[in-house]
Amino acid sequence: GQNIDQPTEMTATEGAIVQINCTYQTSGFNGLFWYQQHAGEAPTFLSYNVLDGLEEKGRFSSFLSRSKGYSYLLLKELQMKDSASYLCAVRDSNDYKLSFGAGTTVTVRA
Amino acid sequence: EAQVTQNPRYLITVTGKKLTVTCSQNMNHEYMSWYRQDPGLGLRQIYYSMNVEVTDKGDVPEGYKVSRKEKRNFPLILESPSPNQTSLYFCASRKGAKLKETQYFGPGTRLLVL
Repeated sequence: GQNIDQPTEMTATEGAIVQINCTYQTSGFNGLFWYQQHAGEAPTFLSYNVLDGLEEKGRFSSFLSRSKGYSYLLLKELQMKDSASYLCAVRDSNDYKLSFGAGTTVTVRA
Repeated sequence: EAQVTQNPRYLITVTGKKLTVTCSQNMNHEYMSWYRQDPGLGLRQIYYSMNVEVTDKGDVPEGYKVSRKEKRNFPLILESPSPNQTSLYFCASRKGAKLKETQYFGPGTRLLVL
């Protein structure tokens, strides 16, 4: 199984940078996903990492260290619309099960 | 438009009254899954299906049933709902088991069991 930890809440100012950490302990690893979920809506895909290193996609970047069981999602130039919950999810080595952390609620203030 | 649909979106029912939440995808995806989402617990997988007639338990299968008779549909059945099944339910689909494929989520079904 998977044990996935991420902070419950974070607050940042518009235009700033926020880093959301995710640590995991897993019996098998086959990739880590980040999703964004606005209140009352479905999660939407943000990023995927399976190899160590940084993946950049516009204002969002995601980093993975498999040896440390650690990932982070970096949100740059924060906008009010980035206020949402961010979910870290780990896929185990059988390729079919995706386990989610409880999510980090990010609040962007003006 | 590629999408995952769920019905109903909102449902209030009483303990013990059987209900079915439908899920359908139009992307010819092999893999489908059901999750429930509760405050502080995140998304927890209930059941998943790797293809037609192939289903398996997720982390919280008790009190739920599923079937996969057709590739596009994956209904969730609560034979005798109880108040602890009050939750937000999401269906998701994915093309297959390849590395980078992400899941597409349906809009969610908010269930209240009285």
